[in-house]
Amino acid sequence: AQTVTQSQPEMSVQEAETVTLSCTYDTSESDYYLFWYKQPPSRQMILVIRQEAYKQQNATENRFSVNFQKAAKSFSLKISDSQLGDAAMYFCAYRSAFGNEKLTFGTGTRLTIIP
Amino acid sequence: DGGITQSPKYLFRKEGQNVTLSCEQNLNHDAMYWYRQDPGQGLRLIYYSQIVNDFQKGDIAEGYSVSREKKESFPLTVTSAQKNPTAFYLCASSVGVQETQYFGPGTRLLVL
Repeated sequence: AQTVTQSQPEMSVQEAETVTLSCTYDTSESDYYLFWYKQPPSRQMILVIRQEAYKQQNATENRFSVNFQKAAKSFSLKISDSQLGDAAMYFCAYRSAFGNEKLTFGTGTRLTIIP
Repeated sequence: DGGITQSPKYLFRKEGQNVTLSCEQNLNHDAMYWYRQDPGQGLRLIYYSQIVNDFQKGDIAEGYSVSREKKESFPLTVTSAQKNPTAFYLCASSVGVQETQYFGPGTRLLVL
């Protein structure tokens, strides 16, 4: 079974600075998808970024980018120019590409932005 | 506006009572999902449906039931057999089961 581990329960960053959230996963599959979701105080899960395992290039979405290391099974999220609105819980998630519909989530990292 | 709506926002259940959580989407998505979130944990899959009139159990289906009579709707019933129902429930949908899942705003269920 696949597992997703987020080893940082809490992180904080000064406004306008850069922060990196860590995620590792365990799988025996070769093709899969990885996601970062943001859950603000409203508790709605919002997609931040998605990465296909077969793609070498790291995904980027405005101030958000990932460092995908397939061999190391690592998928970290970098947030540049941190803003107060970035404060939230961030969840890393895995989904197989082979007919398995389930998203497997990590336990989350609470990000605090210091003004 | 296209999106996923869940109602109610808060729901209270008495002992031995069945309650139903609503999930509606107007995104024309084929697949829909129900997840449960407990404090300090990530989301866990309860049930999912790939098409109308078909649904599959997830990891924690015991004590829950669903129906999928319409493409737009995927209600979740928390039955009296679910002994620890207090949690935050999130509904999601995707174009197909291989596509990105998008989430509704959630329902907080509390037991009186």
